[in-house]
Amino acid sequence: QKEVEQDPGPLSVPEGAIVSLNCTYSNSAFQYFMWYRQYSRKGPELLMYTYSSGNKEDGRFTAQVDKSSKYISLFIRDSQPSDSATYLCAMRWVTGGGNKLTFGTGTQLKVEL
Amino acid sequence: SAVISQKPSRDICQRGTSLTIQCQVDSQVTMMFWYRQQPGQSLTLIATANQGSEATYESGFVIDKFPISRPNLTFSTLTVSNMSPEDSSIYLCSVTGTSGGTDTQYFGPGTRLTVL
Repeated sequence: QKEVEQDPGPLSVPEGAIVSLNCTYSNSAFQYFMWYRQYSRKGPELLMYTYSSGNKEDGRFTAQVDKSSKYISLFIRDSQPSDSATYLCAMRWVTGGGNKLTFGTGTQLKVEL
Repeated sequence: SAVISQKPSRDICQRGTSLTIQCQVDSQVTMMFWYRQQPGQSLTLIATANQGSEATYESGFVIDKFPISRPNLTFSTLTVSNMSPEDSSIYLCSVTGTSGGTDTQYFGPGTRLTVL
């Protein structure tokens, strides 16, 4: 069993839709949770991070963490064609630059006009 | 966040040859990381490169196959040696930064390698 599971998609939605992207994990030691966005032929860019369970909102994006269920989500409201990208969840144990990130495989999202 | 550049951006190589990928950061960083991103698979950490010491390799990766140099605090190279088609992948350089008070990693644009 992989430490982090993520549906690879592809996920296709119409413009304006609410998108829900999800990851599950098995290691309860994970404490920091991140979402990266990766456009085609580009490196991943940090979109959001969360530490505790609950919701964190940033514009059209909401990150949600449920540690009891080992489940994290990223919601995108009013999705735009420019949101079309691969979204990677990532997580690590404790703070500090030396602790490596464990990534999901990424979900490919396409927002259509 | 740090600005990271990589060279080359892409390359097509013959089996048995080696390719050296360069990573340049616009600020001094203690640790640099090299990842591999294969189609349909998670980003996988190859090694962590600290300036002035040997790189630390993750399970499944060895120095003979992926030698790394870290001559200063802004630069690193990763060599993919004796390549085979299975090495076809995107190779990404990464550094640690701080966002909103917590440590995270920032990535370069990647090097897309195809081995024939």
